[in-house]
Amino acid sequence: QSVLTQPPSVSGAPGQRVTISCTGSSSNIGSSYGVHWYQQLPGTAPKLLIYGNDNRPSGVPDRFSGSKSGTSASLAITGLQAGDEADYYCHSYDSDLLARVFGGGTKLTVL
Amino acid sequence: QVQLVESGGGVVQPGRSLRLSCAASGFTFSNYDMHWVRQPPGKGLEWVAAIWSDGSKEFYADSVKGRFTISRDDYKNTLYLQMKSLRVEDTAVYYCARLHPNWDAYDIWGQGTRITVSS
Repeated sequence: QSVLTQPPSVSGAPGQRVTISCTGSSSNIGSSYGVHWYQQLPGTAPKLLIYGNDNRPSGVPDRFSGSKSGTSASLAITGLQAGDEADYYCHSYDSDLLARVFGGGTKLTVL
Repeated sequence: QVQLVESGGGVVQPGRSLRLSCAASGFTFSNYDMHWVRQPPGKGLEWVAAIWSDGSKEFYADSVKGRFTISRDDYKNTLYLQMKSLRVEDTAVYYCARLHPNWDAYDIWGQGTRITVSS
């Protein structure tokens, strides 16, 4: 059972927009700690997609965006492409556990 | 280029020990906090351990506390994870990751090394 809760799967057709939610609590997302998102393509290491709630590292397309409100965060992907099929993880810090925590991951399928 | 390369994985019996290494290149290793993150087969990511850039503090997940030790050698630009009393549930791909100091996120990951704990 992950501290941060994500839907196990989402899907969308090419060109569409999808969102992935990440729900936490007052000791992690609801505090001052940032939420980060990673993309893990099949058989590869995770790659940083969004840091500090809504910032993109250089090289990440602006089709990917993040937001945070209260104890939840979201990753939005617009203009879906076949190459976006991957697992997506949210990540933050928990002040009660004194540990970095991840969501359980969401598998994105492009129909 | 900026790179992390893990090594040391393999198959080990329950109760035995193993040491993982993570060789860093392309950046000033001593300036960064470093972490280990693992991923059991078919499951999600789990934070394992962290060490400050100056090596003065270490942090561990409850699941490995007392059994795993994280360390670093800044002369060799290498991060280590010493694992003792291994359990079947430690079976996973182990990644080392660099913590970006301003972003507080993992901006560089290694390719991972697989540990299988089985009798």
